[in-house]
Amino acid sequence: DAGVTQSPTHLIKTRGQQVTLRCSPKSGHDTVSWYQQALGQGPQFIFQYYEEEERQRGNFPDRFSGHQFPNYSSELNVNALLLGDSALYLCASSPSPGTGTGYTFGSGTRLTVV
Amino acid sequence: DAKTTQPNSMESNEEEPVHLPCNHSTISGTDYIHWYRQLPSQGPEYVIHGLTSNVNNRMASLAIAEDRKSSTLILHRATLRDAAVYYCILLSGNTPLVFGKGTRLSVIA
Repeated sequence: DAGVTQSPTHLIKTRGQQVTLRCSPKSGHDTVSWYQQALGQGPQFIFQYYEEEERQRGNFPDRFSGHQFPNYSSELNVNALLLGDSALYLCASSPSPGTGTGYTFGSGTRLTVV
Repeated sequence: DAKTTQPNSMESNEEEPVHLPCNHSTISGTDYIHWYRQLPSQGPEYVIHGLTSNVNNRMASLAIAEDRKSSTLILHRATLRDAAVYYCILLSGNTPLVFGKGTRLSVIA
C-alpha cells in the first residue's frame, strides 16, 4: 500500500524563480495538506485542499498557491522565491475532513533557494 | 496557535518505559488528542490518538486524564529507533494539524 509520494525529493532554485512541488496522497485519502518546515522548527501549515478547493489556509503570502486534481493529487506552487523559502515541504493526506483520523505524511521535498 | 504544552526534551535509557507528558488545559469537548513523531530526515508519523478513553496500539499507549486537560504518551520499551521529536496536537472538526515545538526524545544505549 503506497503511502504519500512527493516529488522531487530535492530541488535547488535561484531567488526570484518559481517552483512546483507534487504530491500523491495515500490510497483512499481525498484531502491533502501542505506544510513548510524550516530547520529546527516544527511543520507550519500552509493550506489544505479538499474536493479540488482550498479549504483552509495558514499564515502564508499569496506567493504560495496550490491545486488539487480530480484524482486527489496536489501541487504546491511558490512564486518569486526568497532565500527564506528554503525549507522542507511536507505533504500530508487524510480521509475527508472532520473524521478525526490520522494524517499520513510524505518524506518531503527539500527546497534550497540560492 | 498550538494549544498544547510539552517539555522541550526528555531522555530515556534503552529498553525502559518512557512517559511523554502533554498539557492541554483549554481542550474542548470535540478535540481529539493526537500524537505524531518525526524521526530525523523524515516526515511526521502518526502514533496514536484518542478522545476520552485510554488507547493502545502496536506503537504506544495513550493515557488521558479524567478531566482531559492532560495526556501521556507511553512507549513501553524505548529503543534507539524511538529517538525523535514527539508532537501532541489537538484536532477537531475541520481544523488542520497545528504543530508546536514538541518534545525531543533522546534514547541512550
